[in-house]
Amino acid sequence: KNEVEQSPQNLTAQEGEFITINCSYSVGISALHWLQQHPGGGIVSLFMLSSGKKKHGRLIATINIQEKHSSLHITASHPRDSAVYICAVPLGSNYQLIWGAGTKLIIKP
Amino acid sequence: KAGVTQTPRYLIKTRGQQVTLSCSPISGHRSVSWYQQTPGQGLQFLFEYFSETQRNKGNFPGRFSGRQFSNSRSEMNVSTLELGDSALYLCASSLEGFTDTQYFGPGTRLTVL
Repeated sequence: KNEVEQSPQNLTAQEGEFITINCSYSVGISALHWLQQHPGGGIVSLFMLSSGKKKHGRLIATINIQEKHSSLHITASHPRDSAVYICAVPLGSNYQLIWGAGTKLIIKP
Repeated sequence: KAGVTQTPRYLIKTRGQQVTLSCSPISGHRSVSWYQQTPGQGLQFLFEYFSETQRNKGNFPGRFSGRQFSNSRSEMNVSTLELGDSALYLCASSLEGFTDTQYFGPGTRLTVL
């Protein structure tokens, strides 16, 4: 069993739809990362959170440490949101990140 | 504040050659990690350096090596290149390690012919 599982693997939606991407993990963690990778390859850190909820623009990330689950939401989705969204958890500050397989999101106009 | 820079951005080599890639982290960041990404694959962790010491290592053969200098700049070296080494190589820097926000460079795209 993978230590970090994301769902769905692929998601196609219409512009304006509310998007939810899920991440479940089996290891004990102190923080979780959400990152975005565009087709050109560049990776951008969206959020790092250890509890509760964070919001940046149309993006919202939540985490439930007890249930070992995090979600990334996109409100009023736009074609420019099309990218691969990845969650990653560190085993500790000194240990490598365990990466999810990524969710490929396509937003159609 | 300048972002993470990687040089070169593109590189073409032939089998058997060696290559050195460079990563300059954000000023003040002491942790630099390296990743390999092949087409359609996720990120594969190569290694992480912190204060000039390799602190973590992924499951790659010894042909892959790296180092970090006192100014936190890092290099990775691949010797005896194989066709399967063709990939996008990404580095990321952070203040102290993996519980800090990771800042990625644009990557070096290596093609081995």
